[in-house]
Amino acid sequence: GEDVEQSLFLSVREGDSSVINCTYTDSSSTYLYWYKQEPGAGLQLLTYIFSNMDMKQDQRLTVLLNKKDKHLSLRIADTQTGDSAIYFCAESGNTGKLIFGQGTTLQVKP
Amino acid sequence: DSGVTQTPKHLITATGQRVTLRCSPRSGDLSVYWYQQSLDQGLQFLIQYYNGEERAKGNILERFSAQQFPDLHSELNLSSLELGDSALYFCASSVGPGMSSPLHFGNGTRLTVT
Repeated sequence: GEDVEQSLFLSVREGDSSVINCTYTDSSSTYLYWYKQEPGAGLQLLTYIFSNMDMKQDQRLTVLLNKKDKHLSLRIADTQTGDSAIYFCAESGNTGKLIFGQGTTLQVKP
Repeated sequence: DSGVTQTPKHLITATGQRVTLRCSPRSGDLSVYWYQQSLDQGLQFLIQYYNGEERAKGNILERFSAQQFPDLHSELNLSSLELGDSALYFCASSVGPGMSSPLHFGNGTRLTVT
């Protein structure tokens, strides 16, 4: 079945890079997504990558996709306190729905 | 602002009651999705509509139903509410019926059943 796994917690210092990892099971996924959820707020689409790409960069965000290992990562350069949030990885399986991971809580210490 | 509007933001009701959650998709989006977010289950897909028709069904209970109207707004109806139905309910929209375009989420409706 479809499954997405993420580590639950990551703590970094302000100014450092953060790397959030995700593994998924559905090899037919067309797109893979990263969403950000701040406390009391909805899910904000951060970025997404098409399955035939290896990397996508968008300002401070870099997404790496290893399709062979079904591994996706999100790197945030120069992490700021405003980046503290829960980050969700999601895959679009062949069943027409997004499957989300459990979310990684990113804590940024000043 | 994602462009997806959900009302109400908060809802407090008693067990056994029925509530309706409303969602207006982004302009131009034809698909509407409903998700439930709870502490123990995470983000669970409930149901998808595309241009008024049910497109995909997930872990939606029989006590729950949804529809998409001709103006493309959608409503999620929750009946015979139980304590365990307390959760954050998200609506999302996208342009097409499949996964070729990203989903944009609203800010959710927080439902508390007492």
